[in-house]
Amino acid sequence: AQKVTQAQTEISVVEKEDVTLDCVYETRDTTYYLFWYKQPPSGELVFLIRRNSFDEQNEISGRYSWNFQKSTSSFNFTITASQVVDSAVYFCALSEANSNSGYALNFGKGTSLLVTP
Amino acid sequence: DGGITQSPKYLFRKEGQNVTLSCEQNLNHDAMYWYRQDPGQGLRLIYYSQIVNDFQKGDIAEGYSVSREKKESFPLTVTSAQKNPTAFYLCASSMGPNGVSPLHFGNGTRLTVT
Repeated sequence: AQKVTQAQTEISVVEKEDVTLDCVYETRDTTYYLFWYKQPPSGELVFLIRRNSFDEQNEISGRYSWNFQKSTSSFNFTITASQVVDSAVYFCALSEANSNSGYALNFGKGTSLLVTP
Repeated sequence: DGGITQSPKYLFRKEGQNVTLSCEQNLNHDAMYWYRQDPGQGLRLIYYSQIVNDFQKGDIAEGYSVSREKKESFPLTVTSAQKNPTAFYLCASSMGPNGVSPLHFGNGTRLTVT
């Protein structure tokens, strides 16, 4: 079963618009970690943020912000005033403390974001 | 600068041939991972290694093999038994296994088998 669901396959916005990328996860563990990665056209995945299950405090980093809600098992990512350079595929991922695969991440299928001028 | 090096960036092989993808890291990380990425499928775990001389199968290990003889190196062999080998392969490492640290990824190898 898919543990991380990114329902939005593709999103297209015009520069300066705000955009939210959704992520819903599924786990039975009480201790887990959530991540967001960015994959630009070059292919390399770039780490953006990690949150643990005990810290629901939202986080803001420049134009990026993350909303973690355990009640809805969601970890959404918002880009404010989007820019063309934000165009990429964004992945949400889950790591479970009791997983039998070490700390390997379970990735969602990704959301492709296109920001046009 | 520390990082993960995957080579080559593009690889072409004929069907029925084994091929080995290289992954080297100089981050002094204990754990290393191989993921496969297909269009619209996200990343799927092939193999991982938490320590030298030890490795475990991931979700899609069939048709692949790995070795971990050195801390810095985690090569992946795509064997002829892999039915659909054409894909983008990403290697990653992390401080693990005791800490849940972010994965650091290489630039990937795009394998095409015809």
